[in-house]
Amino acid sequence: AQKVTQAQTEISVVEKEDVTLDCVYETRDTTYYLFWYKQPPSGELVFLIRRNSFDEQNEISGRYSWNFQKSTSSFNFTITASQVVDSAVYFCALSEANAGNMLTFGGGTRLMVKP
Amino acid sequence: DVKVTQSSRYLVKRTGEKVFLECVQDMDHENMFWYRQDPGLGLRLIYFSYDVKMKEKGDIPEGYSVSREKKERFSLILESASTNQTSMYLCASGQGGTGWGGYTFGSGTRLTVV
Repeated sequence: AQKVTQAQTEISVVEKEDVTLDCVYETRDTTYYLFWYKQPPSGELVFLIRRNSFDEQNEISGRYSWNFQKSTSSFNFTITASQVVDSAVYFCALSEANAGNMLTFGGGTRLMVKP
Repeated sequence: DVKVTQSSRYLVKRTGEKVFLECVQDMDHENMFWYRQDPGLGLRLIYFSYDVKMKEKGDIPEGYSVSREKKERFSLILESASTNQTSMYLCASGQGGTGWGGYTFGSGTRLTVV
């Protein structure tokens, strides 16, 4: 069965600090997809990134970067020079190719960025 | 701009009431999903649907049912609301296939059962 673990339930940083959100997953499939979503106080989950299991290249998008390592079953998310607007709950999620596009979510990490 | 709209942002219902949560998407997506979100538990899948009149149970379907009579609308029904169904409910839609970019979520309905 698939499982996603986000061990950090809450992280608090001061603005401009870098912060890494951890995500560890379990799956028996060789083909799967990993996601990160952001949930701001408004409540709507916002899609950030999708990676497939065959592409281990790290990705950078502005202040955001993702590190995918199959050897450790991890898909960590780093925010560089954090800002107050980054305050949100962040979810990591996994979908197995054979699971019909169903997403399994981790428990979420609440990030608080203080000015 | 593509949208998933949930009819109510906040709801308060009494124990034993029948509750309907409505979700409409305007993206012509085939797949629609209902999740509930509880602190520390993340999002858990209740039901999903791949097509009109089609439904599949998720991880926690007990106490819930769904209806999908039209492609754009997916309703979650609490047959007899109980206090342990107090939660945030999130609807999502998505398109399958290799080009899949993930779900689009609604803003959620925070349901309180008293």
